[in-house]
Amino acid sequence: AQKVTQAQTEISVVEKEDVTLDCVYETRDTTYYLFWYKQPPSGELVFLIRRNSFDEQNEISGRYSWNFQKSTSSFNFTITASQVVDSAVYFCALSDVNQAGTALIFGKGTTLSVSS
Amino acid sequence: ETGVTQSPTHLIKTRGQQVTLRCSSQSGHNTVSWYQQALGQGPQFIFQYYREEENGRGNFPPRFSGLQFPNYSSELNVNALELDDSALYLCASSFRSGATLATDTQYFGPGTRLTVL
Repeated sequence: AQKVTQAQTEISVVEKEDVTLDCVYETRDTTYYLFWYKQPPSGELVFLIRRNSFDEQNEISGRYSWNFQKSTSSFNFTITASQVVDSAVYFCALSDVNQAGTALIFGKGTTLSVSS
Repeated sequence: ETGVTQSPTHLIKTRGQQVTLRCSSQSGHNTVSWYQQALGQGPQFIFQYYREEENGRGNFPPRFSGLQFPNYSSELNVNALELDDSALYLCASSFRSGATLATDTQYFGPGTRLTVL
């Protein structure tokens, strides 16, 4: 069955600390996509990254970086030099592509609190 | 570029009532997906609409139904509301090209907070 596990429910850090959010997934598909979304208190899910199963290169975007490892079915997200504005709930998601459409399967999310 | 919009922002209903939530997709997008997010949980897929037809459905009962209009906007209807239907309802739009089932990125709206009393 398709599943995403975010074992860290809550993480608290102080500004400028680095923090890594873990994501482990299960899928029967050979081709799939992984995503990270950020949900600030306003509620809207903000897209951060999409990665397909054939591209295991790590990606860096400013203070954000992602480590995709198929061997361990993990897609971890690191924020370098965290800031208060990074405080939010972060969701990892997996595509479920069936014949009829495409659903995203989300983990339960990790709440990140960054204090000044 | 206009993002995904949803209305209303908040809604309070009582058990047994019916509700309609609305979503306008992002400019250039032709596919709409709906998700239910209970408090403290990740979003759960309800269904997806493409070319005005339901195009995939999650584990939700038939009292959850939807529509997609020619301008790609969409409605989510929930009949016979139950207390457990209280949640944030998120709409997401994406672009799908033809028959390809490539997973296009879904962009989300701000959601509608539904409270059932």
